[in-house]
Amino acid sequence: EAQVTQNPRYLITVTGKKLTVTCSQNMNHEYMSWYRQDPGLGLRQIYYSMNVEVTDKGDVPEGYKVSRKEKRNFPLILESPSPNQTSLYFCASAIGRATDTQYFGPGTRLTVL
Amino acid sequence: AQSVTQPDIHITVSEGASLELRCNYSYGATPYLFWYVQSPGQGLQLLLKYFSGDTLVQGIKGFEAEFKRSQSSFNLRKPSVHWSDAAEYFCAVAGNTGGFKTIFGAGTRLFVKA
Repeated sequence: EAQVTQNPRYLITVTGKKLTVTCSQNMNHEYMSWYRQDPGLGLRQIYYSMNVEVTDKGDVPEGYKVSRKEKRNFPLILESPSPNQTSLYFCASAIGRATDTQYFGPGTRLTVL
Repeated sequence: AQSVTQPDIHITVSEGASLELRCNYSYGATPYLFWYVQSPGQGLQLLLKYFSGDTLVQGIKGFEAEFKRSQSSFNLRKPSVHWSDAAEYFCAVAGNTGGFKTIFGAGTRLFVKA
């Protein structure tokens, strides 16, 4: 089944404790992206990747890192999480570019205490 | 600046009634426009998209949207709403400028009355 998977689905952590949220797609898509969803703000793009080893900032990249060492994986790293990063995070992938249809993962709900 | 505005935070319609969700965008180049739907506890699913051609676009689940360049709008419509349409709807814009980003609106939550 074609899908985007994220792990974990739920995470509660404390301020400053490094964490990684994994994202994997099995559709051989070149474009991958991370978003955060907050009430009243919709989805805001954190980082995106056009291909392996090619990443760029979205609108809210502060406090996040990403890497794209393999085509299928695009992990989101929070090196020192803070409470304002409490949010619902979505990973998405598309065949080639942002102008293609994006396929979304199920989301990761992160709480930073 | 690139932006997407969905003026209605939430809308309530009766089952069987027609629906229109508004979306206005600001984009410096030719936009690709999308409507996505998010059911409770789920990820987002594409309803329809527009880039060029016929300005009335048909999507899944009986939805359609009309692109009006003069009004910078891309409103979503459905002639008869079903209870299962209750969800949050997001309008989005993307393009080949501005670094290939995607800009989403804040969303409109649809409630359906029996």
